[in-house]
Amino acid sequence: GQQLNQSPQSMFIQEGEDVSMNCTSSSIFNTWLWYKQDPGEGPVLLIALYKAGELTSNGRLTAQFGITRKDSFLNISASIPSDVGIYFCVSRRGSQGNLIFGKGTKLSVKP
Amino acid sequence: GAGVSQTPSNKVTEKGKYVELRCDPISGHTALYWYRQSLGQGPEFLIYFQGTGAADDSGLPNDRFFAVRPEGSVSTLKIQRTERGDSAVYLCASSPQEGNTEAFFGQGTRLTVV
Repeated sequence: GQQLNQSPQSMFIQEGEDVSMNCTSSSIFNTWLWYKQDPGEGPVLLIALYKAGELTSNGRLTAQFGITRKDSFLNISASIPSDVGIYFCVSRRGSQGNLIFGKGTKLSVKP
Repeated sequence: GAGVSQTPSNKVTEKGKYVELRCDPISGHTALYWYRQSLGQGPEFLIYFQGTGAADDSGLPNDRFFAVRPEGSVSTLKIQRTERGDSAVYLCASSPQEGNTEAFFGQGTRLTVV
């Protein structure tokens, strides 16, 4: 089936550092979403991308939809302790259908 | 409440028993999704509803799993003859409609089969 390859699997960074993670696939997608999940909670949407090449920011977060429509990245600037959690790249087949999740990037921030 | 509500939050059951997991979506949301998340993994799709009908149930692992949404609002995920491998967090999400819209997730039901 369609898979999203997310990297890195985990990151340990110092507070204040910038973070970059990405997601690739062998399939073309029309939507890229980035979700964050805190322990014991459901995933929460951070950024949604709907057009190839689109670059979108949400506060300290910036995400881009790759031109090939097979990849996306998420950057977090000036990380803070509450950025800790698991970040998932998510996509969707066409404009309908279920959401496909990557395996996640676990972010740890040292104060 | 304003969000997706899932009950119970935790469920411990014996192997072989039947369980029901409930999801109350956000009022007015027509699309409802069920996902299963094992420890250290991303959520895996099980089934989604558009209104009362199951639009895609291709993620259900076998015929022990079944879900209903009889009035197009609340949904129940039913698992028969539970096995230890069914232990996971079961997540429900809803969206205002199909298409490129945000899916809002509940906190999940942690199912443990002993």
